[in-house]
Amino acid sequence: EVQLVESGGGLVQPGRSLRLSCTASGFTFGDYAMSWVRQAPGKGLEWVGFIRSKTYGGTTEYAASVKGRFTISRDDSESIAYLQMDSLKTEDTAVYYCTRDLSVWELSFDYWGQGTLVTVSS
Amino acid sequence: DIQMTQSPSSLSASIGDRVSFTCQASQDIGNYLSWYQKKPGKAPKLLIFDASNLKTGVPSNFRGSGSGTDFTFTISSLQPEDIATYYCQQYSHLPTFGGGTKVEIK
Repeated sequence: EVQLVESGGGLVQPGRSLRLSCTASGFTFGDYAMSWVRQAPGKGLEWVGFIRSKTYGGTTEYAASVKGRFTISRDDSESIAYLQMDSLKTEDTAVYYCTRDLSVWELSFDYWGQGTLVTVSS
Repeated sequence: DIQMTQSPSSLSASIGDRVSFTCQASQDIGNYLSWYQKKPGKAPKLLIFDASNLKTGVPSNFRGSGSGTDFTFTISSLQPEDIATYYCQQYSHLPTFGGGTKVEIK
C-alpha cells in the first residue's frame, strides 16, 4: 500500500525557515517524481514544486510564488522527500501535501499524504 | 501560466441526480487534465487523469470528458459520499488547478 507521511509543520515567524519531510513507503521511491501541493485556509489547491527522479537528473521546478525561497530535495536511500522553506511569508500559511506524480512527464498526483500545517505568523 | 476556470463554483443537487460541471483552460492542454475530490480535513484524491481515464478503484459513477480547452466532469447518480469540492488540474505545462466546484445536497 502506497503511503506518504508528512512531518515538520508548525508555527514559524515571518522571514524564518522550516523544513518539511515526506516519508514514503509501499513503492519504489526512487522511480518516481514527487511534488508538493499546498492549500491555504479557505482557498484552493496550489502546486508548489516537484523533483524528478534521479533517472531524469533529479532536477526541480517551482511555482513562481515560491521560486528562489523554497527548495525540494530527495534522499532515495531513505525514501524521503524534503521541502526547505526559507524567507517565509504570512501568505505561505497552508496545509502542505506531499504527492507522488503519475510520471516524470505527467504531473498528475496519484497519491497524497495527509498534509502538515504550516502557520507563518509573528 | 495556464489559467483553469471551473464553473459553477458551487452547486446543489438531490441524491440520485446526474451532476455535471466544467473546467476551461486558457490555452490548449490536449488531454493533460486531472480531476480530484477534496473533502474537509482530508487529502485530495485523484479520480480521473488524462481527461477521461478513471484511476483504478474509483467508482465508475464518475466520468471525465473533453480535450483541448473544454472539459466536463460528471457524477451519474449523486450519492451522499460524493459531497466534496472537486478540482481540475492541468499538467500540459507546470501544474495549475482550477478554483474548485463545491457539490452540496439540496
